Amino acid sequence: DTAVSQTPKYLVTQMGNDKSIKCEQNLGHDTMYWYKQDSKKFLKIMFSYNNKELIINETVPNRFSPKSPDKAHLNLHINSLELGDSAVYFCASSLGSGDYGYTFGSGTRLTVV
Amino acid sequence: QQPVQSPQAVILREGEDAVINCSSSKALYSVHWYRQKHGEAPVFLMILLKGGEQKGHEKISASFNEKKQQSSLYLTASQLSYSGTYFCGTEDETSYDKVIFGPGTSLSVIP
Repeated sequence: DTAVSQTPKYLVTQMGNDKSIKCEQNLGHDTMYWYKQDSKKFLKIMFSYNNKELIINETVPNRFSPKSPDKAHLNLHINSLELGDSAVYFCASSLGSGDYGYTFGSGTRLTVV
Repeated sequence: QQPVQSPQAVILREGEDAVINCSSSKALYSVHWYRQKHGEAPVFLMILLKGGEQKGHEKISASFNEKKQQSSLYLTASQLSYSGTYFCGTEDETSYDKVIFGPGTSLSVIP
């Protein structure tokens, strides 16, 4: 069983469209995250949720909206996609509190054309 | 603030050793280390918490000098499977559970 699963794995879409990425973890972790990895491999934190509550909201355009229906799921919705949104988006989870490592999902490669 | 990693890239022959360094300008609570292979997700290696402890498993170990806000990852007797990009991630004392990753160190092990 996959610990942190993301869907879809690949997403190709046109500028201006709206798209969602889904993430689910079966590890029983309390905290989930979204990270963006650009073409230079920089991993940048976007959001974190602890037990459905938004904890971290970095300087991210408000076209990006996370939603956590329960502590096992964290979805990312992106409105009005732009070319610069092209990247690999990773979901991750951890037990939280800063004392534990993160388990990453396999990533979603988003290409905006 | 993003931690600094050095070197940017290193090429090793099988069996050689390597050290990857990570430093921050902020007082740190913890340092994480991850390895990412091409086209895959980052994989957690270890976490070092404030206290200057050293950790390790098999031939990969790490140290954390909290006074200097530095950590080092030691890879001994490298194997082909060690190839990948190594990221350190730091949590500072004012923002627990917010890991900021360094730019990565590309490590290639050749036969």
